[in-house]
Amino acid sequence: EAEVAQSPRYKITEKSQAVAFWCDPISGHATLYWYRQILGQGPELLVQFQDESVVDDSQLPKDRFSAERLKGVDSTLKIQPAELGDSAMYLCASSPRIESGTEAFFGQGTRLTVV
Amino acid sequence: GENVEQHPSTLSVQEGDSAVIKCTYSDSASNYFPWYKQELGKRPQLIIDIRSNVGEKKDQRIAVTLNKTAKHFSLHITETQPEDSAVYFCAASTAGGSYIPTFGRGTSLIVHP
Repeated sequence: EAEVAQSPRYKITEKSQAVAFWCDPISGHATLYWYRQILGQGPELLVQFQDESVVDDSQLPKDRFSAERLKGVDSTLKIQPAELGDSAMYLCASSPRIESGTEAFFGQGTRLTVV
Repeated sequence: GENVEQHPSTLSVQEGDSAVIKCTYSDSASNYFPWYKQELGKRPQLIIDIRSNVGEKKDQRIAVTLNKTAKHFSLHITETQPEDSAVYFCAASTAGGSYIPTFGRGTSLIVHP
């Protein structure tokens, strides 16, 4: 069964350092999402791509966060500099295309701890 | 934007009992409502979904109901089993130019043997 791949699974970094996460969506999925999930809460959207274009990044803290999907396939989310409050699970999800009623498939996530 | 409220935050039941989780949404344009189950340390996975042209959908022990007038939808699990213990998230998506699922804060369901 095809799955969304994410790496690394776990990351510990010191505050003020840079950190990057990688996501490879299910083959053929045009839509890719990055979510942040704080412990005990639901996933919150950071950015949504359709192919290589950003559809929505209104909730992305652009002073420190950046995301790209250059070839419309895999994607990288970067934080620079990391802050203590960035500690969370970062989930990537993909779906076939933008339309109402399309399931989002999630990856295993990257657990980030900022110390 | 869309706002999804989910209740309760924690639900504890005995094995065999029923469990009900309720969600409300704010955007009347939303027309797709998935439910995800997230076991500890694992990814969220879709368990059931419902579209706005349907009032109820059932899949074995799981059912979802939707009231578009009141803008609320509910997950019903009957004959609960210990393996149903997990965090459940509801979501709502807004029709239009882009599909962005907005999630509730989650319900931690504990089923006691």
